[in-house]
Amino acid sequence: NAGVTQTPKFQVLKTGQSMTLQCAQDMNHNSMYWYRQDPGMGLRLIYYSASEGTTDKGEVPNGYNVSRLNKREFSLRLESAAPSQTSVYFCASRFRRGGRTDTQYFGPGTRLTVL
Amino acid sequence: DQQVKQNSPSLSVQEGRISILNCDYTNSMFDYFLWYKKYPAEGPTFLISISSIKDKNEDGRFTVFLNKSAKHLSLHIVPSQPGDSAVYFCAASETGGGADGLTFGKGTHLIIQP
Repeated sequence: NAGVTQTPKFQVLKTGQSMTLQCAQDMNHNSMYWYRQDPGMGLRLIYYSASEGTTDKGEVPNGYNVSRLNKREFSLRLESAAPSQTSVYFCASRFRRGGRTDTQYFGPGTRLTVL
Repeated sequence: DQQVKQNSPSLSVQEGRISILNCDYTNSMFDYFLWYKKYPAEGPTFLISISSIKDKNEDGRFTVFLNKSAKHLSLHIVPSQPGDSAVYFCAASETGGGADGLTFGKGTHLIIQP
């Protein structure tokens, strides 16, 4: 099992460009998440998908869109990148059983720089 | 408004001694707490968790203590080893409502000195 994979690992964009960050998991998890981590900060939730076909906003959703393509894949799109979106982006997944909380597993991250 | 606080940005401990990492939270609805370990250029990896119905959970060298009345939890690592040098994040969630996902502290950089 590869766990949670993310592509690309690194990306440099110019202000106003668009791009999509890809995430896939092979653990048959039903919930998936996108976080960002800025220097000296903890991870902050951007968007999540509790189950296939649903997506919801997290703490910092502005400037992003997401697509839950299928059970395995959850992508994050920046339509018009801004320097404030320079960050490291982490995708995570978990198998959520009803109301019980279960561990989230993280991918290796995508380091994005917006010039 | 930070709901999960790790007030020590860094902590230096000698190899073989006990490392104690602290975490405070303000949201009384949090009922599940986790510790993640993160090496540079890697994603966070799960270490240990505790439900609010317990006050202690052990896994090998790692023990997490939860004091609900003080809204405080701590991670003890005994004995500390060089491979434990990493950034440790405390995280919390509430199962009953709010946005799904974890709320993280800013992390504590643990340095194990030989």
